[in-house]
Amino acid sequence: KAGVTQTPRYLIKTRGQQVTLSCSPISGHRSVSWYQQTPGQGLQFLFEYFSETQRNKGNFPGRFSGRQFSNSRSEMNVSTLELGDSALYLCASSLVPSGTMKYQETQYFGPGTRLLVL
Amino acid sequence: DAKTTQPPSMDCAEGRAANLPCNHSTISGNEYVYWYRQIHSQGPQYIIHGLKNNETNEMASLIITEDRKSSTLILPHATLRDTAVYYCIRGGSQGNLIFGKGTKLSVKP
Repeated sequence: KAGVTQTPRYLIKTRGQQVTLSCSPISGHRSVSWYQQTPGQGLQFLFEYFSETQRNKGNFPGRFSGRQFSNSRSEMNVSTLELGDSALYLCASSLVPSGTMKYQETQYFGPGTRLLVL
Repeated sequence: DAKTTQPPSMDCAEGRAANLPCNHSTISGNEYVYWYRQIHSQGPQYIIHGLKNNETNEMASLIITEDRKSSTLILPHATLRDTAVYYCIRGGSQGNLIFGKGTKLSVKP
């Protein structure tokens, strides 16, 4: 079974631009979460989507947004890019949403998209 | 708040067992303990998770104390490719995974 895929893998943008990143979850997985990783802050949760609805959101400004499509694929968008948005953006998928507690909610991560803002 | 405590770094000789400790003294009864690792600049890789009982899979073993306040991840025969940052995470009741700084494991020849 194919793993989580993310596109593009690398991206260079300039301040003020916007960017859209894409994530395709493992087949059958319906929950998608996004994380940002920087050297200073480590891995931080951005948001989680399930059934095309945002279930959970981390402490990030409104410039960061996402959506999920009916096939469970997800995109995240960052508008008005700042230098501090340079990071590795990671997507993770799971069978069910976190906190469901019905059965395993193990999240599987993709390779990430490395964004550099100049 | 990562809610787990791990040593910042550890060394292990190649071929020996690597034992990575984690303290999660405030864990609630329905929270799982998850272990992930991240090899430089790659996405975190799931290793193992458990609730109460010890668990073993092809990658590692997870030993959880009876009071569930701490756990140990065991890599039975560490190789150079096991050099990575290992994260111990509580999950399942509060939603998203909250990553701390993890333990940087260096496997040396």
